[in-house]
Amino acid sequence: DVKVTQSSRYLVKRTGEKVFLECVQDMDHENMFWYRQDPGLGLRLIYFSYDVKMKEKGDIPEGYSVSREKKERFSLILESASTNQTSMYLCASRRTAQETQYFGPGTRLLVL
Amino acid sequence: SQKIEQNSEALNIQEGKTATLTCNYTNYSPAYLQWYRQDPGRGPVFLLLIRENEKEKRKERLKVTFDTTLKQSLFHITASQPADSATYLCALAEANQAGTALIFGKGTTLSVSS
Repeated sequence: DVKVTQSSRYLVKRTGEKVFLECVQDMDHENMFWYRQDPGLGLRLIYFSYDVKMKEKGDIPEGYSVSREKKERFSLILESASTNQTSMYLCASRRTAQETQYFGPGTRLLVL
Repeated sequence: SQKIEQNSEALNIQEGKTATLTCNYTNYSPAYLQWYRQDPGRGPVFLLLIRENEKEKRKERLKVTFDTTLKQSLFHITASQPADSATYLCALAEANQAGTALIFGKGTTLSVSS
């Protein structure tokens, strides 16, 4: 079974802090994704990565950056957390564009 | 503009009935559609994928149809059970866009009462 893990289920941070969300997949998938999910807005794509050291902006990249130094790990960075970044963050991976996307359990981030 | 819409935010049905969820899209040419289930506080779980050249796909009590003329996918759960209560998301990926991420609808929350 494909396994996508995220470093934390719940996180509480202060405004202005730098926040790291880690995602690891164990199936040698090429593509990895970061979404955020908010009530009434659905899943919105922040960034994705086709391969190691590659990244592409999604629909809402402002205030975020990413890092993919190894194939299995995709990190989302909130450079200076703000209250409007309080959300559920979901990581996903897939082998290729024609295959199923698998999600991690999510990190619920609260920025105070 | 491009849109993917699940036309019901919520659907309530009785146990044993068939639930039918709708996903419509505008100004996309999807290579395939996927359906996911999401329980509260958890990540989406993949259920079914249907490609543009397929009309219907089945898996146990689940059935998905894909009509590229109507630009619509229907997701059916037959003999529904209270355990089927969850939010169901449809998602599509465009043809000829090898690196494109999935685009998700906002979901339909299904409640099955006993």
